[in-house]
Amino acid sequence: AQSVTQPDIHITVSEGASLELRCNYSYGATPYLFWYVQSPGQGLQLLLKYFSGDTLVQGIKGFEAEFKRSQSSFNLRKPSVHWSDAAEYFCAVGGQWTGTASKLTFGTGTRLQVTL
Amino acid sequence: SAVISQKPSRDICQRGTSLTIQCQVDSQVTMMFWYRQQPGQSLTLIATANQGSEATYESGFVIDKFPISRPNLTFSTLTVSNMSPEDSSIYLCSVDEGRGGTQYFGPGTRLLVL
Repeated sequence: AQSVTQPDIHITVSEGASLELRCNYSYGATPYLFWYVQSPGQGLQLLLKYFSGDTLVQGIKGFEAEFKRSQSSFNLRKPSVHWSDAAEYFCAVGGQWTGTASKLTFGTGTRLQVTL
Repeated sequence: SAVISQKPSRDICQRGTSLTIQCQVDSQVTMMFWYRQQPGQSLTLIATANQGSEATYESGFVIDKFPISRPNLTFSTLTVSNMSPEDSSIYLCSVDEGRGGTQYFGPGTRLLVL
């Protein structure tokens, strides 16, 4: 069974500082990996995804993530955080197919607080 | 990506009643999903709704409690039946546009059961 671990429940960074959110996955084959962001009172917005190819993927809002197979990790990074980045971040793994779609398993999320 | 809307956006309900949540997509999609997000928790998949067939439920979720309809390729409903305070959650629908496993989410329905 696929699973995702986000070891950090809550992270606080200063505006302008760099950010790294950790994500470890468990999956028997090559996974599909995703990062989503959920702002307060909002649904989930896709930040970026990895299917194959280049292990460093770029997403929206200046985020990037690096797939490291040897470490079973897919950490999310941003070089300079903005106050508007304060939100809940979810890592997800897919690859368990049902028909033509892949079922996603989500991590427990990391809440990012940004101080001014 | 698809634009997804949900109705209602939020509701407060009495225990023992039922609520039907609607999910509308602006394009035709084969697979739709329903998730529950309990307060302070992550997302848990309730069921997968494929047009023209019965929904497939995940372990711990049953059709009598969460009946789902999928009448066409752009619409689905989830009913939360005989509600109790434990059903207070955010309910989200998502769609897979068939581009290899990426899901896009609606804004969610925030349900409070008293």
